[in-house]
Amino acid sequence: DAGVTQSPTHLIKTRGQQVTLRCSPKSGHDTVSWYQQALGQGPQFIFQYYEEEERQRGNFPDRFSGHQFPNYSSELNVNALLLGDSALYLCASSLTGTGVAGELFFGEGSRLTVL
Amino acid sequence: AQKITQTQPGMFVQEKEAVTLDCTYDTSDPSYGLFWYKQPSSGEMIFLIYQGSYDQQNATEGRYSLNFQKARKSANLVISASQLGDSAMYFCAMREYNNAGNMLTFGGGTRLMVKP
Repeated sequence: DAGVTQSPTHLIKTRGQQVTLRCSPKSGHDTVSWYQQALGQGPQFIFQYYEEEERQRGNFPDRFSGHQFPNYSSELNVNALLLGDSALYLCASSLTGTGVAGELFFGEGSRLTVL
Repeated sequence: AQKITQTQPGMFVQEKEAVTLDCTYDTSDPSYGLFWYKQPSSGEMIFLIYQGSYDQQNATEGRYSLNFQKARKSANLVISASQLGDSAMYFCAMREYNNAGNMLTFGGGTRLMVKP
């Protein structure tokens, strides 16, 4: 049973470019969340997708957008990259309706470097 | 205000000894869950232990236990018999029931280093 898979694992972009990160959730999970983890900090919630719609969003600008596909996989898009967007981007999947105890399963992340 | 506070940026522990990693939280929601995750250098967040706000007993999972003091709003992680493989970043996180989704709020983390 595959866990959460993310691609690419590492990438380098320059300021102003656009990037797309991909995530396949754990089998049986229907909800995907994205987190940004800057170096030396805890993860920060970006947004969550369920039933192909953005259900919840953290304090991130509109440059950050996403999508969820019918097979529950998801993409995170970041436009007009800034140096401060350099971070590890973590995808987490879960099953909706499991309440506060529902476990999130994380992928190994995509490490983005913006030069 | 910070919802999750981890006051120890780094901790050393001798192999085979126990160590406590501190976590305090802030919420007005009566229903919430507290989580601890381990993050090795590979980047993946590995779930360790969960404590619900209504749980009467402290959670335990193998060598991990959670010292839950609800009145003090603290949820410290205790690792017994430390192993070299325990060296990693550790994050405390909270989910509040009244959140629309499953959003987790994380603390800043504690780097644990186990000495042989």
